[in-house]
Amino acid sequence: NAGVTQTPKFRVLKTGQSMTLLCAQDMNHEYMYWYRQDPGMGLRLIHYSVGEGTTAKGEVPDGYNVSRLKKQNFLLGLESAAPSQTSVYFCASSKAGGPMANEQFFGPGTRLTVL
Amino acid sequence: AQSVTQLGSHVSVSEGALVLLRCNYSSSVPPYLFWYVQYPNQGLQLLLKYTTGATLVKGINGFEAEFKKSETSFHLTKPSAHMSDAAEYFCAVSGVGGSYIPTFGRGTSLIVHP
Repeated sequence: NAGVTQTPKFRVLKTGQSMTLLCAQDMNHEYMYWYRQDPGMGLRLIHYSVGEGTTAKGEVPDGYNVSRLKKQNFLLGLESAAPSQTSVYFCASSKAGGPMANEQFFGPGTRLTVL
Repeated sequence: AQSVTQLGSHVSVSEGALVLLRCNYSSSVPPYLFWYVQYPNQGLQLLLKYTTGATLVKGINGFEAEFKKSETSFHLTKPSAHMSDAAEYFCAVSGVGGSYIPTFGRGTSLIVHP
């Protein structure tokens, strides 16, 4: 099993450009999440999904959109990138229902720089 | 809203010394509690978790944590630090109010000196 994978690993954008980050998991997990990690801020939840076709806003959703068209994939889009979106982005997944639902499995991260 | 406080953004220990990383949460209802570790340039991985039952939880790499309801704490310890323990450690809580969406602390960077 590959677990949770993220594409790309690194990306540099210019202000105003758009891009999509892809997250894929092969564990048949229902829940998927997108976080950003900034120095001293810990992990902040951007958006999450509790199932195929459903998404919800997290703590810092502005400037991002997401889609979950297939259970195994969760896409994060930046329509018009801003320097404030320079960060490391992590995708995670977890099962639904019961205590085990809360254990998250993380991808390796995407390092995004917006100039 | 639930919150997680990790005391100390950086903790420095000598190799072989006791490791103590502190985590306190704000909830009157016993939640689910987790410690994750992040090695440089990697994603987070689960170190240990408390859901129900025994309050002393053992994890990987010799780490353990004790859930103390009266103190709303879940501190992480290891008797003897190893150089390979140098990493970022995150405490997380979920299950409060039926929500499975976890809240993470800001993380503690463990520095191990030879």
